[in-house]
Amino acid sequence: NAGVMQNPRHLVRRRGQEARLRCSPMKGHSHVYWYRQLPEEGLKFMVYLQKENIIDESGMPKERFSAEFPKEGPSILRIQQVVRGDSAAYFCASSPLGLGDSPLHFGNGTRLTVT
Amino acid sequence: DQQVKQNSPSLSVQEGRISILNCDYTNSMFDYFLWYKKYPAEGPTFLISISSIKDKNEDGRFTVFLNKSAKHLSLHIVPSQPGDSAVYFCAASASGNTGKLIFGQGTTLQVKP
Repeated sequence: NAGVMQNPRHLVRRRGQEARLRCSPMKGHSHVYWYRQLPEEGLKFMVYLQKENIIDESGMPKERFSAEFPKEGPSILRIQQVVRGDSAAYFCASSPLGLGDSPLHFGNGTRLTVT
Repeated sequence: DQQVKQNSPSLSVQEGRISILNCDYTNSMFDYFLWYKKYPAEGPTFLISISSIKDKNEDGRFTVFLNKSAKHLSLHIVPSQPGDSAVYFCAASASGNTGKLIFGQGTTLQVKP
C-alpha cells in the first residue's frame, strides 16, 4: 500500500531553469496539497488541488509558480525561471476528503537546490 | 504574522522521562489541531490530533492537551524513548479547511539514553 510518492527526491537547477516536481497521492485519495519548507522554518501551505481543479492557491507566489492535477497522472508543481530563494524542500500531501478530521499524509519531499 | 508558534526550538530529555512540547496560536478560528513528527530527509508523519470540542486526546504514549482560553496546546510523551528524537511540528486549521494547515516552526526533541 504505497504512500504519497514524490519524485525526484533531489533536484538541482541553475538559476533561470525550470523545475518540475511530481506527486502521486495515496491510492483512493483525490485531494492533493503542496507545502514548502524553507530552511529553519515550518511548512507553509502553497496550493490545494482536486482532479482537474485548483481549489485554493492562496499560498502560491504570484509569478513563476503553477500547479496542476490532471485527470490522469501525478500532480505537478512547476517553477519557472528558478531563483536561489526557491531552494527548499517541497512536500506533497494527500487526503481522501478535503473536509473532516482525516489527517494529511505527506510524501518524503523533493529537495530543490538552485545554484 | 506567525499564527502558530513553537517558542522552544529544541528540547533535551532523558530516556524514560516526560517530554512536553508546547504550541501557541493566535487565530480564534482554528478548531482542529495536529502534531506531526519529522525525521531528517523524510516527510512529516501524523502523530495525534485534537478537535476544539475536546481538551484532551490520548493515544498510547502521546497525549495532546488543548487550552482554548489560553490558545495553547501541548504534546506530552511518556515515557520518552530515543526513537522519539525528531522535529515535532504543531499545526492548526479552521473549519472547512482541514487540509490547509498552518504549521509552527518546529521543536527538535532529543531523547538521551
